[in-house]
Amino acid sequence: QKEVEQDPGPLSVPEGAIVSLNCTYSNSAFQYFMWYRQYSRKGPELLMYTYSSGNKEDGRFTAQVDKSSKYISLFIRDSQPSDSATYLCAMSANYGQNFVFGPGTRLSVLP
Amino acid sequence: DAGITQSPRHKVTETGTPVTLRCHQTENHRYMYWYRQDPGHGLRLIHYSYGVKDTDKGEVSDGYSVSRSKTEDFLLTLESATSSQTSVYFCAIRPEDGHGTDTQYFGPGTRLTVL
Repeated sequence: QKEVEQDPGPLSVPEGAIVSLNCTYSNSAFQYFMWYRQYSRKGPELLMYTYSSGNKEDGRFTAQVDKSSKYISLFIRDSQPSDSATYLCAMSANYGQNFVFGPGTRLSVLP
Repeated sequence: DAGITQSPRHKVTETGTPVTLRCHQTENHRYMYWYRQDPGHGLRLIHYSYGVKDTDKGEVSDGYSVSRSKTEDFLLTLESATSSQTSVYFCAIRPEDGHGTDTQYFGPGTRLTVL
């Protein structure tokens, strides 16, 4: 079992839909959680950062962490074609410890 | 923009030749990382550095070496390139903002093909 699992997709949704992207993990010590967006042939860019449990909202994006289920989610409201990208989750256990990345989910938002 | 540049951006080389990739940052961050990204594997850590001349191995370090003689530059060397090292290589930095935030920011990547 990989330490961080993520459905690779591709996931196709119509413009305006609510998108839910998810990662599961096995290491209960993880407490720093990140979501990155990566456009084709570009570097990953940090989208959301969450420490420990709970929700965090930034515009159309909401990151949710459920440590009891070892499950994190990224919700995108009113999805746009410009949201079409690969979304990577990443996590670490202690400050300064190396990150573990999920393989990414490819999202296509169709106009 | 985290002030990270990578060079070259694209390279084609032959098996057995040495290759050096460069990562340059402008903000004096102590931590720098080299990852490779392959389909189905996501980002995997090759080596990282926590200061000038201070480096350590990641999960896929075999066949790679690194050097950091200046804060701003982190070099990744493939001593004798193999076809299995065909990949996209990303450099990252980790800011220390004094607030306990733990994140990494990535460069634009180097696409390496080993024939």
